[in-house]
Amino acid sequence: GENVEQHPSTLSVQEGDSAVIKCTYSDSASNYFPWYKQELGKGPQLIIDIRSNVGEKKDQRIAVTLNKTAKHFSLHITETQPEDSAVYFCASSRGGGADGLTFGKGTHLIIQP
Amino acid sequence: GAGVSQSPSNKVTEKGKDVELRCDPISGHTALYWYRQSLGQGLEFLIYFQGNSAPDKSGLPSDRFSAERTGGSVSTLTIQRTQQEDSAVYLCASSSFHPNEQFFGPGTRLTVL
Repeated sequence: GENVEQHPSTLSVQEGDSAVIKCTYSDSASNYFPWYKQELGKGPQLIIDIRSNVGEKKDQRIAVTLNKTAKHFSLHITETQPEDSAVYFCASSRGGGADGLTFGKGTHLIIQP
Repeated sequence: GAGVSQSPSNKVTEKGKDVELRCDPISGHTALYWYRQSLGQGLEFLIYFQGNSAPDKSGLPSDRFSAERTGGSVSTLTIQRTQQEDSAVYLCASSSFHPNEQFFGPGTRLTVL
């Protein structure tokens, strides 16, 4: 089955700096790659996603890049703010099959004031 | 509009008892998913429904776990003869079709004493 590796497990950055979280996946048939933000005591919230026919997608301060050849994708957050502090999860899915999302183990992002 | 809701938000039970967890998806969403999140871990996919049918139940951890969905809406996840290792947050998500963006509920925190 699919395996998603996520790094780093913890990331501390100064407010205003950029943060990058990286994920690799194993199943070459995967074609949908969402990123979720989870705050304490809440369910994950979808913040951005990318499909395999696109190499990069941007939404304000958040961007995601995908390299299908290398089987890795990354989340980039620019101009970080205190409210960006949370746990971020990457995930992948084949689509079209009876499977859900396969998640990475998460990155705890800490924004230092 | 209303998001995915889950009940109860917290459940404490004794080892060996049965529990039932409920999920109300976003109105009109045909696909529904159950995940399990153990302390400090990523999310583990359990089962997916398209309408009332679950094409693949192999993600369920053991035969003590079962799920059903009626009327293409509400779903229940039942755990029989609970064990301490069943303690986790159980998350439900729904999407307008499979596969597409999944929207998560707040989860049910299950504690088995």
